[in-house]
Amino acid sequence: DIQMTQSPSSLSASVGDRVTITCRASQGISNYLAWFQQKPGKVPKLLIYAASTVQSGVPPRFSGSGSGTDFTLTISSLQPEDVATYYCQKYDTAPLTFGGGTKVEVK
Amino acid sequence: QVSLRESGPALVKPTQTLTLTCTFSGFSLSTSGMCVSWIRQPPGKALEWLALIDWEDDKYYNTSLKTRLTISKDTSKDQVVLTMTNMGPEDTATYYCARVIAAAVVGDYWGQGAPVTVSS
Repeated sequence: DIQMTQSPSSLSASVGDRVTITCRASQGISNYLAWFQQKPGKVPKLLIYAASTVQSGVPPRFSGSGSGTDFTLTISSLQPEDVATYYCQKYDTAPLTFGGGTKVEVK
Repeated sequence: QVSLRESGPALVKPTQTLTLTCTFSGFSLSTSGMCVSWIRQPPGKALEWLALIDWEDDKYYNTSLKTRLTISKDTSKDQVVLTMTNMGPEDTATYYCARVIAAAVVGDYWGQGAPVTVSS
């Protein structure tokens, strides 16, 4: 099975900072990579699919990039409401494995 | 308007079998490309993908759990059922179903989640 590794596992940044989260697949998955945001006690929300396509209604400060094995989620200007845990998920073939998550906090 | 809703017991005893139902609307599992996936999340832990069923009734499972999982669909009722056998305390989690469109998008719509506790 392909493993999905996220880094860092947690980060703390100031409002307005640029934040980057990385997701690495143990084998190539083309661009079949999605990013989710999960706020405490809430259902995960799709932010990005096909590695770089922003889901409708998602603020433009969120962007995704990458292909093959290395992917990045970027928040261009961190806002207080972005406090959440972020997950990547592969969906090229089953199993549709999630990364371990990155917890984002605001300083 | 797409929606999904999980239903099932909130409490199961160790060794019992868990049966969860995902009832959805706004799409059909007989439409090419449509799939439903199950995901779980133990308290304070990461999301874990469990299983997927597609429009052709093909089924896919988490490698580590595949001997315990069965996924099925009833297209006429717009429902997907997940069963997990031999439940243990480590299976305590919130269980979600979500829509997948093959080779396009994953998890664009989720249910609200069904919390399940395994305890005697």
